[in-house]
Amino acid sequence: QKEVEQDPGPLSVPEGAIVSLNCTYSNSAFQYFMWYRQYSRKGPELLMYTYSSGNKEDGRFTAQVDKSSKYISLFIRDSQPSDSATYLCATPNNNDMRFGAGTRLTVKP
Amino acid sequence: GAVVSQHPSWVICKSGTSVKIECRSLDFQATTMFWYRQFPKQSLMLMATSNEGSKATYEQGVEKDKFLINHASLTLSTLTVTSAHPEDSSFYICSAGPGGGNEKLFFGSGTQLSVL
Repeated sequence: QKEVEQDPGPLSVPEGAIVSLNCTYSNSAFQYFMWYRQYSRKGPELLMYTYSSGNKEDGRFTAQVDKSSKYISLFIRDSQPSDSATYLCATPNNNDMRFGAGTRLTVKP
Repeated sequence: GAVVSQHPSWVICKSGTSVKIECRSLDFQATTMFWYRQFPKQSLMLMATSNEGSKATYEQGVEKDKFLINHASLTLSTLTVTSAHPEDSSFYICSAGPGGGNEKLFFGSGTQLSVL
């Protein structure tokens, strides 16, 4: 079992839709959780990070962690074509970062 | 936010030649930098951890003699792909964090290597 599981999609939604991106993880010791956005042939860009359980909101983006179910979510409200990218969840583990497979999102105008 | 600069953004080389990729932290010192490899439509795979002033730590299966890492200063790490072959063609990305560890990592823009 991978330490971080993420459905690679692809996911296609119309502009303005609410997008829900999800990951699960296996190690209950994980404390920090990140969401990165990666455009094609670019390095990942840190979108948000959360510590332990709860929600964190930043503009149209909300990150949510449920430690009881080991579930991580990223919600995008009022999605825009510019949100089209691959979204990777990640969590630090020892001396490196464990990434999910990444979900390819396309927001159609 | 913190900035990590990676150069070059793309390189094409002949089989058997060596290619050097640079990763710089522009506004913070990084005692540790990370090098990843990414194949199309796949996630990032950690290759090695670059430690300033000491030897890099390589992940299992990564040939340290093929992927030479030098972290000579607190703001610069280099990855040299020696005697490159077509199977080395990939997207290489570096990262570093201002905290010195693996939390809130910032990534370079990546280097697309194509070996002919």
